[in-house]
Amino acid sequence: KAGVTQTPRYLIKTRGQQVTLSCSPISGHRSVSWYQQTPGQGLQFLFEYFSETQRNKGNFPGRFSGRQFSNSRSEMNVSTLELGDSALYLCASSLASGQPQHFGDGTRLSIL
Amino acid sequence: AQSVTQPDIHITVSEGASLELRCNYSYGATPYLFWYVQSPGQGLQLLLKYFSGDTLVQGIKGFEAEFKRSQSSFNLRKPSVHWSDAAEYFCAVGGLIVRNSGAGSYQLTFGKGTKLSVIP
Repeated sequence: KAGVTQTPRYLIKTRGQQVTLSCSPISGHRSVSWYQQTPGQGLQFLFEYFSETQRNKGNFPGRFSGRQFSNSRSEMNVSTLELGDSALYLCASSLASGQPQHFGDGTRLSIL
Repeated sequence: AQSVTQPDIHITVSEGASLELRCNYSYGATPYLFWYVQSPGQGLQLLLKYFSGDTLVQGIKGFEAEFKRSQSSFNLRKPSVHWSDAAEYFCAVGGLIVRNSGAGSYQLTFGKGTKLSVIP
């Protein structure tokens, strides 16, 4: 069974640009969550999607948004990038909310 | 609000020695508890989980954890550490978040992590 796939693995952007990250969950998993990981703040919850609906949202500005498609694949978008957005962005999928989450290897985003 | 504290930022042990990584949580009800491990450049791998029942939980790679409600703790243990166990370990609590709309979902809150170094 294929694991959680995140693309791309690495991204370099400049301030002010926008970026879209993609996540394909494990087959059959309908819940997808996104996290931001930085050395200073650790792992912080961004949002969770289930059946194309955002179920929960962390404490991030509106520049961070996401969506989920009917096949459970999810995308995360960050607009007007700032230097502080440099981080590892992790996607995790689970059968349902509250079930163990399985993580992808992440997308390393660097802002110049 | 739920929270997790991992008091030890960095631990160094000799190969073959026993290991205990500490985790304390704050949550108003019985939480879901997890331990994850992260190797450099990779995502998080689930080691074990506690939902209910037996408070001693067995996981992969020879790890176990014990849920102690009275101490709000969920410490991770391994009797004999291998060099390949060197990584960063994260404890997480999953609690029900109910929004103003009344809809609820579980949200994972992670500790800051404990980096484990193993001396050959």
